Amino acid sequence: EDQVTQSPEALRLQEGESSSLNCSYTVSGLRGLFWYRQDPGKGPEFLFTLYSAGEEKEKERLKATLTKKESFLHITAPKPEDSATYLCAVQAGDFNKFYFGSGTKLNVKP
Amino acid sequence: GAGVSQSPRYKVAKRGQDVALRCDPISGHVSLFWYQQALGQGPEFLTYFQNEAQLDKSGLPSDRFFAERPEGSVSTLKIQRTQQEDSAVYLCASSFGTGGNQPQHFGDGTRLSIL
Repeated sequence: EDQVTQSPEALRLQEGESSSLNCSYTVSGLRGLFWYRQDPGKGPEFLFTLYSAGEEKEKERLKATLTKKESFLHITAPKPEDSATYLCAVQAGDFNKFYFGSGTKLNVKP
Repeated sequence: GAGVSQSPRYKVAKRGQDVALRCDPISGHVSLFWYQQALGQGPEFLTYFQNEAQLDKSGLPSDRFFAERPEGSVSTLKIQRTQQEDSAVYLCASSFGTGGNQPQHFGDGTRLSIL
């Protein structure tokens, strides 16, 4: 059965304290792995797409990497405005169906 | 606006009532998706449209859920005879193409509460 697992469920960091979020997946025929940010009361906001193992993408303080079994979202020197829930989704199969993980709720304290 | 628009933002209904949720996708986006998001969980797939064709409805929880996109643009998700377990945020997303590998762009959702 296709599955996406994110860890940790919640993460508290001090401003400037770098860390990584994990997304592990078991799907057949991965077509893409997507990272989203979701703020309370808002829809998910697209961050990155990764297509193949070894690929990396960067945007400001965020860097996403992909292996054959998992993806990491590295946050370097985070700021309070980085506080949000980060969702990982994988796309597999014939259509565009996304399988989402439950997310990591990040809280960055000043 | 340039993004996906959903209405209403909040909907409160009594158990047994029918509700209709609307989604205006990004102009020109061929693919449209509906998701259900429970509190503290990631979105769960409900259904997928390519233009006006509903190609996948495998995620609809029961036959009380019905979605349509008659002209290949605006979509409506209808829930008949609502039950308390239907309470959730319903998200709509759209993407440009049909070939996959493309990010989905989400609206801010409709928060449905069934009393």
